[in-house]
Amino acid sequence: AQSVTQPDIHITVSEGASLELRCNYSYGATPYLFWYVQSPGQGLQLLLKYFSGDTLVQGIKGFEAEFKRSQSSFNLRKPSVHWSDAAEYFCAVGEDTGRRALTFGSGTRLQVQP
Amino acid sequence: DAGITQSPRHKVTETGTPVTLRCHQTENHRYMYWYRQDPGHGLRLIHYSYGVKDTDKGEVSDGYSVSRSKTEDFLLTLESATSSQTSVYFCAISDPAGTDTQYFGPGTRLTVL
Repeated sequence: AQSVTQPDIHITVSEGASLELRCNYSYGATPYLFWYVQSPGQGLQLLLKYFSGDTLVQGIKGFEAEFKRSQSSFNLRKPSVHWSDAAEYFCAVGEDTGRRALTFGSGTRLQVQP
Repeated sequence: DAGITQSPRHKVTETGTPVTLRCHQTENHRYMYWYRQDPGHGLRLIHYSYGVKDTDKGEVSDGYSVSRSKTEDFLLTLESATSSQTSVYFCAISDPAGTDTQYFGPGTRLTVL
């Protein structure tokens, strides 16, 4: 069965600093990979996704992620963090099965210092 | 944003009572999902549906049942709520004919006392 690991439970960065959130997955085939963001009290919003092709994926709000098959990673990056980026971030892997569900990591909470 | 609503948005109930949560979509997507979100666990799949009257279990289905009598509605029922079912419940939809991307509703916060 597939799994997703987000090693960092909580990260604090200063506004304007760069950000990298780590995600490692376990999956036998080429995965479908996603990053979602959840602001407090809100639902999950899709930031970006990878299905195939270019391994560097651009998303909304200035985020990007790079798929590295050799490292089983799909890390999320942003060159300059804004205070409004404070939220919880979830990495997920899609199933290439009939049910097509997502398996989520446990999330990384991002705090942004002024 | 995908047209997904959940009701109620908040509910407090007592142990042993039945509870039904509703998910409604306006996108005519075939696949619908119920997840629960708990601290330290991310989101975990409870049940899913791949069409009207077609449903199946996820990883944490014990104590839950679902029904889908119309494309747009997917109901999650806790037959006899327990304190361990205190959680935030999210509904999601996806269209496998497209990119399998899932879109989430706003969530229902359920507290079982």
